[in-house]
Formats: sequence, C-alpha cells, structure tokens
Amino acid sequence: KAGVTQTPRYLIKTRGQQVTLSCSPISGHRSVSWYQQTPGQGLQFLFEYFSETQRNKGNFPGRFSGRQFSNSRSEMNVSTLELGDSALYLCASSLRGQGNSPLHFGNGTRLTVT
Amino acid sequence: DQQVKQNSPSLSVQEGRISILNCDYTNSMFDYFLWYKKYPAEGPTFLISISSIKDKNEDGRFTVFLNKSAKHLSLHIVPSQPGDSAVYFCAAMDGATNKLIFGTGTLLAVQP
Repeated sequence: KAGVTQTPRYLIKTRGQQVTLSCSPISGHRSVSWYQQTPGQGLQFLFEYFSETQRNKGNFPGRFSGRQFSNSRSEMNVSTLELGDSALYLCASSLRGQGNSPLHFGNGTRLTVT
Repeated sequence: DQQVKQNSPSLSVQEGRISILNCDYTNSMFDYFLWYKKYPAEGPTFLISISSIKDKNEDGRFTVFLNKSAKHLSLHIVPSQPGDSAVYFCAAMDGATNKLIFGTGTLLAVQP
C-alpha cells in the first residue's frame, strides 16, 4: 500500500503571498489531519477532515484553511503569509480518525517564507 | 499553554543501555497516549500506545509506563541501538475534544 504523499516537498514563498499544500492519504483512509512543526514547539494541530467535513480545528488564525475532496485527498491553504509561517507542514491519514486509529504521516512540506 | 511537555530536548545513551524518555501532561481528560519516532526528512511513525486504564504496555524492546496520579508517562527502550537515534514525540488524546496533542519532542542519540 502506498503511504501518505505530500506535495511539494519544499516551497519558498514571499511574505504576503498565499500557498496551497497537497496531501494524498493512504487508500481507504477517510481522515486527514494537518500539523505544523516548528523548532521548540513540537507538532501543533491545525485541523482534521473526515469524509469531506472539518471535524476538528486547532488554534490557528483564519489565514489557515483546508478542505477535503471526495477521494479523501486534502489541501491546506495559507493566505497572506508571514515569516512565522515558516515550518514543516505534516499531513497524517487514519482509517477512522484521530481518536480511533493511529495516524500515518507523510514526509511533510517544508515551507520557507522570506 | 503546552499541555504535553517533554522537558528534555535531548538525551544521549550508550548502545546496549536503557533509554528512558519522559513526558508530562496537564489535562486530566487525556485518555490515550502514544509515542511517535521521527527521523530527519521523514514524517513521524507510530511506535507504541497505552490506554489510560492501563499502567504498562510492552512491545519488544519498547515499554511505555503510565502514572496517572503523577500525570507522567515514560518510554523505555532496552537495549538501545544506534538505529533508535531519532526524535521521539509523546502524544495524548483529549477524550473531550478528540484532538491529538503532541509534545515538543526529545532527540535521542544512541552512541555505538
């Protein structure tokens, strides 16, 4: 079975721009969660989607948004980028959702904002 | 506020010895705990978990201990191997909000 695929692996953007990150979950997994990893902060939860619906949300500003498609693929969008948005963005899929089955992570998208 | 804390940013251990990684939490609604391992340039991978109704779970060289009264859990790796060198994240499931909360990670270096 193919694992979780995130594209692109690396991105460099300028302050004020917007960015879209993509995540393809493991086949059959209906839940996709997004996390932001920064040094010293660990993995900060952004949101979880299940069957195209946002099921849960972390404490991030509205500039961070996401969606899930009928094939379970998910996208995350960050608008009006700030320098502090530079981070590794990780996507994870699971069969039944965060509370009910282990998360399988992709290798992440490294976003650098200059 | 950091609800899941890993107070040791790094740990160095000799090959063959025991590695003990610690994690403290503050939220009494956490009902399930997990450890993930992360190598550079890769996503975290699930290692071992424990339910709040248990105090120990063992899987090969890995054992997780949970002390609910102290709101503390630990991961023991015996014997440690150089391939265990990675960042280890503790995570806790909030049964009230259904959110998985991660700690800040501990970098384990196993010296040959």
